[in-house]
Amino acid sequence: GDSVTQMEGPVTLSEEAFLTINCTYTATGYPSLFWYVQYPGEGLQLLLKATKADDKGSNKGFEATYRKETTSFHLEKGSVQVSDSAVYFCALSDRGGGSYIPTFGRGTSLIVHP
Amino acid sequence: DAGVIQSPRHEVTEMGQEVTLRCKPISGHDYLFWYRQTMMRGLELLIYFNNNVPIDDSGMPEDRFSAKMPNASFSTLKIQPSEPRDSAVYFCASSLSGADTEAFFGQGTRLTVV
Repeated sequence: GDSVTQMEGPVTLSEEAFLTINCTYTATGYPSLFWYVQYPGEGLQLLLKATKADDKGSNKGFEATYRKETTSFHLEKGSVQVSDSAVYFCALSDRGGGSYIPTFGRGTSLIVHP
Repeated sequence: DAGVIQSPRHEVTEMGQEVTLRCKPISGHDYLFWYRQTMMRGLELLIYFNNNVPIDDSGMPEDRFSAKMPNASFSTLKIQPSEPRDSAVYFCASSLSGADTEAFFGQGTRLTVV
C-alpha cells in the first residue's frame, strides 16, 4: 500500500537558519504530493503541493520539488522564523487507486528559537 | 465558506459515558474523513465517506466507535462507552474528489476521558 516516511523530530533551529525536512514515499500509482502545516491548537492546513514529477511547490518561503526518481519531496526554507514553529506533515494522494484518500506521514515538529 | 466546522472544541467526559463529535464539511465537498491524532500513533484515519456513504471504516479501533453521515452537510462520530485510552484530538476533514485536491481540516475536538 501507499506510505509516507518523514524524518523524526523535533527539529530545533535558530532563527534565520536553513531548514530541510526529508520526506520519501511509496505509491502504487502516480501520486500528487503535499506538505501540510499544523500550528498549535489548530487543524492541518495545506502549505504547498506538486502534482507531477519535477514540479516545485512553493508558499511562504517554503519549497519542495517532486522527485520521481528518488520518490522524495523534501521541504526546504532558506531562513526560518520563530513563527514557523509548527508540525509539518508530508502527504500523498494516489490517483492510481481512484479513491484519492490522503496518506500522511507521522509529522515533524519544528522549533525555532530567537 | 467558513471552512470545516467541528463541535465541541473540547470535551471532558467520564469513562463509560457516550460521546458525540460533530462535523459540518465544506459545502460541495464529496469526501469526508475522520482522523484521530495522538502523540503515540500520530494521525490515524478512522473512517471516510464519499457522497455520504461510508466507504472504509477499517481504521475504527473498536465497535465502541461509530460514524454516520445522514446528509451532505453533517457527520457524527460517536464513542459508546468511552474509555480513557480514547483521549485524543479528533479531526474532521473534507475534500473534493481528485488526487490534485487538498483536504481541508477542521480545528479538531480535544477529547479527554477521565
